[in-house]
Amino acid sequence: AQSVSQHNHHVILSEAASLELGCNYSYGGTVNLFWYVQYPGQHLQLLLKYFSGDPLVKGIKGFEAEFIKSKFSFNLRKPSVQWSDTAEYFCAVTLDTGRRALTFGSGTRLQVQP
Amino acid sequence: EPEVTQTPSHQVTQMGQEVILRCVPISNHLYFYWYRQILGQKVEFLVSFYNNEISEKSEIFDDQFSVERPDGSNFTLKIRSTKLEDSAMYFCASKGQRNTEAFFGQGTRLTVV
Repeated sequence: AQSVSQHNHHVILSEAASLELGCNYSYGGTVNLFWYVQYPGQHLQLLLKYFSGDPLVKGIKGFEAEFIKSKFSFNLRKPSVQWSDTAEYFCAVTLDTGRRALTFGSGTRLQVQP
Repeated sequence: EPEVTQTPSHQVTQMGQEVILRCVPISNHLYFYWYRQILGQKVEFLVSFYNNEISEKSEIFDDQFSVERPDGSNFTLKIRSTKLEDSAMYFCASKGQRNTEAFFGQGTRLTVV
C-alpha cells in the first residue's frame, strides 16, 4: 500500500526565515501530489497540487513545491515565512490507478515566531 | 466561493449510541469522501462515494459505518454503535472531476463518552 512520510513533525522558525518541509511517498506508479494547510480551528485548504508537467509548482501565499520523481519526494518551500503561516501542513498523494482517495502524511506543525 | 459544509461542528454522544454526521458537498461535484483525524494523529481515509455507491473504503470503515446520499445534496456518515475510539474529527470532502483536488469541510468533532 502507498504511504506518505513527513519527516519534520514540529518546526519552529522566526519570521523571514526560509522554510522547507520534506515529503516522501512510496509508490512506483503515477501519483498526484498535494500540500494542504490547516490553520488553527479551520478546515484543510489546498496550498498546491501536482498532476503532470512542470515539476516545480507554485501555490498560494508564496509557497512552492518540487516533484522529484527519482527521489519520490515533493518538498514544500517558502523563501520567507510570516507569522500568519503558523499552521499544520499535510502532504498527500492520490494514485492514478487503484486508490484515488488521498493518503496523508502525518503532518508538520509549523510555528512562526514574530 | 462554493464550499463544503458540515453539521454539527461538535457532537457529544454516549458510547453505543448511533450518530449521523452530515455534509453538503459542493453542488456540481461528483466524488465524495469521508476522512477522520484522531487527535494527534494523521488524517485517515474512510470511504469514497461516486455514482450513488461506495467506490472505495478503508479497513477502518467496518460494518458499524455507513454512508448515504439520500436526497442528491446531503452526504451522511452514520456510525451505528459508537465506541470510545470513534472520537475524532470527521472531515467530508468533495471533488468535481477525478483528477482534481478535493475540497474539505470544516469538520465535525465527535466525542464519544
